[in-house]
Amino acid sequence: QSALTQPASVSGSPGQSITISCTGTSSDVGDYNYVSWYQQHPGKAPKLMIYDVTNRPSGVSNRFSGSKSGNTASLTISGLQAEDEADYYCSSYASSSPNWVFGGGTKLTVL
Amino acid sequence: EVQLVESGGGLVQPGGSLRLSCATSGFTFSASDIHWVRQASGKGLEWVGRIRHKAYDYATAYAASVKGRFTMSRDDSKNTAYLQMNSLRTEDTAVYYCTTWELRAFDIWGQGTMVTVSS
Repeated sequence: QSALTQPASVSGSPGQSITISCTGTSSDVGDYNYVSWYQQHPGKAPKLMIYDVTNRPSGVSNRFSGSKSGNTASLTISGLQAEDEADYYCSSYASSSPNWVFGGGTKLTVL
Repeated sequence: EVQLVESGGGLVQPGGSLRLSCATSGFTFSASDIHWVRQASGKGLEWVGRIRHKAYDYATAYAASVKGRFTMSRDDSKNTAYLQMNSLRTEDTAVYYCTTWELRAFDIWGQGTMVTVSS
């Protein structure tokens, strides 16, 4: 069982927006702004999409945005495109071991 | 261009050992923390451990599932990090990734190396 809880799957049509939630506790998501999001296509390594809750690394589309409220972080993808279809994982620093935790992953299907 | 390349994976029997390497280029390895993350087939990501850089005395931290069996090290002269895995179990079967920690996140990932523990 993963430390952070994500929905197993979400779907949306091209051009629409979707949001993926990531629920932790006051010892991880709720206590630190070290929340990050990763995109993983089949057979590929994960790719950092969001760091420090809301920041995008250079080269990541501004269609991807992050937020946090209490113990729950969220990733929103606007203007869905076919290439966004992938697995998405959240991660957070935690105050106790293991000090870095991941969510179980969410499969995004673009209809 | 920042690059991390893992190697050393393969098939090993339960109870056996394996050493993974993470060769890096394109950034100041000696000033960077390196993490290892694994992923069993069809499953999610699992943090394995971290080795800090020299300014932090190369401090290590491990997930409970591997503590006492896995050891991380690094050779700054070769820009390479290592993961020594002993007493391997079938549940250690996974793709192992090394990754940097620069933006307070796992910034750059290697392509991964497959470890299969089976008799």
